[in-house]
Amino acid sequence: NAGVTQTPKFRILKIGQSMTLQCTQDMNHNYMYWYRQDPGMGLKLIYYSVGAGITDKGEVPNGYNVSRSTTEDFPLRLELAAPSQTSVYFCASRELSGDGYTFGSGTRLTVV
Amino acid sequence: AQSVTQLGSHVSVSEGALVLLRCNYSSSVPPYLFWYVQYPNQGLQLLLKYTSAATLVKGINGFEAEFKKSETSFHLTKPSAHMSDAAEYFCAVSVEFTGGGNKLTFGTGTQLKVEL
Repeated sequence: NAGVTQTPKFRILKIGQSMTLQCTQDMNHNYMYWYRQDPGMGLKLIYYSVGAGITDKGEVPNGYNVSRSTTEDFPLRLELAAPSQTSVYFCASRELSGDGYTFGSGTRLTVV
Repeated sequence: AQSVTQLGSHVSVSEGALVLLRCNYSSSVPPYLFWYVQYPNQGLQLLLKYTSAATLVKGINGFEAEFKKSETSFHLTKPSAHMSDAAEYFCAVSVEFTGGGNKLTFGTGTQLKVEL
């Protein structure tokens, strides 16, 4: 089915470890986004991309990195995991024109 | 800056009662507004969106919302709550980036509980 696919769904990391959260969309959307969701805080934008090779910081980028080598993929990298990065991460995409956002099912990350 | 505020982090209603979830927006230009629902351990699903056409917007699962410019509000309603409506609801506004493109800025969410 067409959509946004996130892997893994769950992960437990130790402090200081690194990992990459994967996000792939097959709708040829130009825009892609990474959000984190914390209880009572809503969703906060970490990074976004307006197309392959172009990325920019959102509201809460510290501790994260992204790349966008293809239209389909937008991985999120945590280099030195910290307990403050315990959260649920959502990837989303949007077509160039229009207002339809598609969200992935999320990655629940715990840093201990 | 464009933003949304959701009043009430938790709302409890009886099954069959009216559901009213409040959202107020702050925007200097006509906004695009959205309501999303999140069921436990799932992603976000679009309920409805306002894009400056009709001020009364009908969505899925019997929900609707009315854009009121005079009150800067976009409250979500459903005439009769069902147990399956228990979820977290997010109001969001589409915000433009400098240089083009846009993003969604979310409210803090309202947890809806439906009781027998």
